[in-house]
Amino acid sequence: EPEVTQTPSHQVTQMGQEVILRCVPISNHLYFYWYRQILGQKVEFLVSFYNNEISEKSEIFDDQFSVERPDGSNFTLKIRSTKLEDSAMYFCASSDPITFGSGTRLTVV
Amino acid sequence: GENVEQHPSTLSVQEGDSAVIKCTYSDSASNYFPWYKQELGKRPQLIIDIRSNVGEKKDQRIAVTLNKTAKHFSLHITETQPEDSAVYFCAAYPRKSSGDKLTFGTGTRLAVRP
Repeated sequence: EPEVTQTPSHQVTQMGQEVILRCVPISNHLYFYWYRQILGQKVEFLVSFYNNEISEKSEIFDDQFSVERPDGSNFTLKIRSTKLEDSAMYFCASSDPITFGSGTRLTVV
Repeated sequence: GENVEQHPSTLSVQEGDSAVIKCTYSDSASNYFPWYKQELGKRPQLIIDIRSNVGEKKDQRIAVTLNKTAKHFSLHITETQPEDSAVYFCAAYPRKSSGDKLTFGTGTRLAVRP
């Protein structure tokens, strides 16, 4: 069964540092997403990406966040200057059907 | 935007009993309603979904019902087993040609007592 793969599985970073979370969506999918889940809370939408541009973003996705599809297979989420409250599990997804990756646990210290 | 409410937040049932989780949504444009099971530390896994042109769908012990008029949908698990214990999320999705966001409910922690 095709999978969405994410790396790294766990990232620890110092506050103020930049992080890049990487995802390889399912090859024939056209829509890509980033979601986050703070521990014990619901899954929250960050951004959707289609046809090489952002199609929608939430209020969480501020200027500190950016997404990129640099080479036609990878899909990355960059957080420019991490804050403590960015600590969460970040899930990449692609569709159709919508399929989640295994997540990257980001810990900001 | 879409708002999805989910109840109950926790549910404890005896093994073999049924479990029902209910969700309501606000955006009439939503036309796809998946349910996800999430075990601790793992990704949400799609367990069943329903589209707006269908009122009910069943897959073995799991069924989902949809009432478009009332904007609510429910997950029914029959003959529950301990391995059904997890957090369940409902979601709503207005599928458009350009893709759109999946809005999740707040989750239900299901515990099945052996």
